[in-house]
Amino acid sequence: EPEVTQTPSHQVTQMGQEVILRCVPISNHLYFYWYRQILGQKVEFLVSFYNNEISEKSEIFDDQFSVERPDGSNFTLKIRSTKLEDSAMYFCASSESPYNEQFFGPGTRLTVL
Amino acid sequence: DAKTTQPNSMESNEEEPVHLPCNHSTISGTDYIHWYRQLPSQGPEYVIHGLTSNVNNRMASLAIAEDRKSSTLILHRATLRDAAVYYCIYSTSGTYKYIFGTGTRLKVLA
Repeated sequence: EPEVTQTPSHQVTQMGQEVILRCVPISNHLYFYWYRQILGQKVEFLVSFYNNEISEKSEIFDDQFSVERPDGSNFTLKIRSTKLEDSAMYFCASSESPYNEQFFGPGTRLTVL
Repeated sequence: DAKTTQPNSMESNEEEPVHLPCNHSTISGTDYIHWYRQLPSQGPEYVIHGLTSNVNNRMASLAIAEDRKSSTLILHRATLRDAAVYYCIYSTSGTYKYIFGTGTRLKVLA
């Protein structure tokens, strides 16, 4: 069964450093998403992406964040200058259309020291 | 933002049916209702979705009220592996995002 994959599973970084989180969506999906979940809290929407541009973003997704589909398979989330409060699980998801179910990856745990 | 209301937690005995309720009184006529679950240390996992009619799949059943202001996820025979947080979600038309609430933490007792 096709699945969304994410790398790395755990990333540790120093405050102020840039990180890139990688995702490989399901191959025939066209809509991509990033969510995050701070430990013990709700899953929060960050951004949706379609046709090489951002469709929608939340207030969390400020200028420190960017997304990119650098090739036909990867979808990345970049945080330019990490803060302590960016420590969280980051989930990538993909769907065939905005009306179909979203399939989530296993997540990347980001720890900012 | 699309708002749903669910009980914080529920318990069930193994092998018994579980009915997980959700209120979504502000849903519009074209919004699908989605149910996801999140097992410990994993990403959300799709369970089922529906629009108006009741739906069944290999994991669960979804019963949708006639006025669509509430729905119930039914696990026919709970197993220990069903212990998870269950989320009821809908995204308002024209947006692509899911707004997760706090969900219902299901505990399954052996």
